[in-house]
Amino acid sequence: NAGVTQTPKFRILKIGQSMTLQCAQDMNHNYMYWYRQDPGMGLKLIYYSVGAGITDKGEVPNGYNVSRSTTEDFPLRLELAAPSQTSVYFCASSLSGQGGWRSTEAFFGQGTRLTVV
Amino acid sequence: KQEVTQIPAALSVPEGENLVLNCSFTDSAIYNLQWFRQDPGKGLTSLLLIQSSQREQTSGRLNASLDKSSGRSTLYIAASQPGDSATYLCAVRGSSNTGKLIFGQGTTLQVKP
Repeated sequence: NAGVTQTPKFRILKIGQSMTLQCAQDMNHNYMYWYRQDPGMGLKLIYYSVGAGITDKGEVPNGYNVSRSTTEDFPLRLELAAPSQTSVYFCASSLSGQGGWRSTEAFFGQGTRLTVV
Repeated sequence: KQEVTQIPAALSVPEGENLVLNCSFTDSAIYNLQWFRQDPGKGLTSLLLIQSSQREQTSGRLNASLDKSSGRSTLYIAASQPGDSATYLCAVRGSSNTGKLIFGQGTTLQVKP
């Protein structure tokens, strides 16, 4: 079972460069999320999507963009990378936003560790 | 604005001890609460999800309780083992249909042999 797959696992960017973090899930989940985790902190929501073609901002969206053209994929784009974007990025998915355990339980990928120098 | 706090930030116990991890949240209007485990350099693994209408959920040696009115949840780990060493995160899901999770900072647990 693949679950939520993130690529790459590690990346070093120079200031001003751009990149796309890839996220794919094979569970036919409607809801997908991008979080970032800074050292000693909890996860903060960057963007989320409730279905293909529908995205919305989370708590810390500045400097990022997303698109959701298919149910399976939810890429996160960093434009003009800055040192403040050095973090570990996690993609997650759930079947729905409401309902029982099976509907709302969130599943996470293994993360992408990004360093901007 | 919902805020989630986990205390203590770190905990070290000898193997075999029963222990309790605490999670508190400021807005009691939650939909459910989910506990996760995170191993160093890894992603999050879901442990338990407890709905707002429930008082507790159990899975093996783990038991999560929820007191929505007081804004508290606890994760009880029975007979701790070195393999339980990890960071434990709690996250609350609000009443909107977005499914967004608000996370605490986590408690890092070390179980010493």
